[in-house]
Amino acid sequence: GAVVSQHPSRVICKSGTSVKIECRSLDFQATTMFWYRQFPKQSLMLMATSNEGSKATYEQGVEKDKFLINHASLTLSTLTVTSAHPEDSSFYICSARRQGARNTEAFFGQGTRLTVV
Amino acid sequence: DAKTTQPNSMESNEEEPVHLPCNHSTISGTDYIHWYRQLPSQGPEYVIHGLTSNVNNRMASLAIAEDRKSSTLILHRATLRDAAVYYCILRDRGESGGGADGLTFGKGTHLIIQP
Repeated sequence: GAVVSQHPSRVICKSGTSVKIECRSLDFQATTMFWYRQFPKQSLMLMATSNEGSKATYEQGVEKDKFLINHASLTLSTLTVTSAHPEDSSFYICSARRQGARNTEAFFGQGTRLTVV
Repeated sequence: DAKTTQPNSMESNEEEPVHLPCNHSTISGTDYIHWYRQLPSQGPEYVIHGLTSNVNNRMASLAIAEDRKSSTLILHRATLRDAAVYYCILRDRGESGGGADGLTFGKGTHLIIQP
């Protein structure tokens, strides 16, 4: 089956530094990828929609200057958490669907556990 | 996306069937019913989806009520590896862009499997 790979799976960084998370679709092309955030004991919340070759679309309340998204190719999207603070500590998950696929399954990465100290 | 309601948690014994309910009384005629599950510390995983007829795959079965206002995910023989949070999500069949919208996750049902 299709695979979406996220890297790194776990990262610890100091407050004020930036962290980049990569999301790759390994065997299909994805015009659109999605980034979610999940705090402990809570559900996934959509942060932004990453569009290949154009600007990302952010959900209300998500700071676009803090969470930089780049979707440079049909198989790679990156999320950079800039000037991270302890409140940004969370589980970040990306998702992708096959290009042109209507109402089919979404494939998720394994998630990245970010801890800001 | 239309709202779904699921029990917060359910418990079952290993090797027994599990029926996970989902209510979606405001479902529209163009909404598909999707189920995903999330194992601890992992990203969600697709389980099954359907529109009107019952569906079966290697992981589970999906039973959809005749009025489509509720559905039940059936795990025929639960194992310890099925312990996860199960999410029932409605997706509009008419969505544009071939998957342009992210999924709206509710709180899901935390399934506990007893050995």
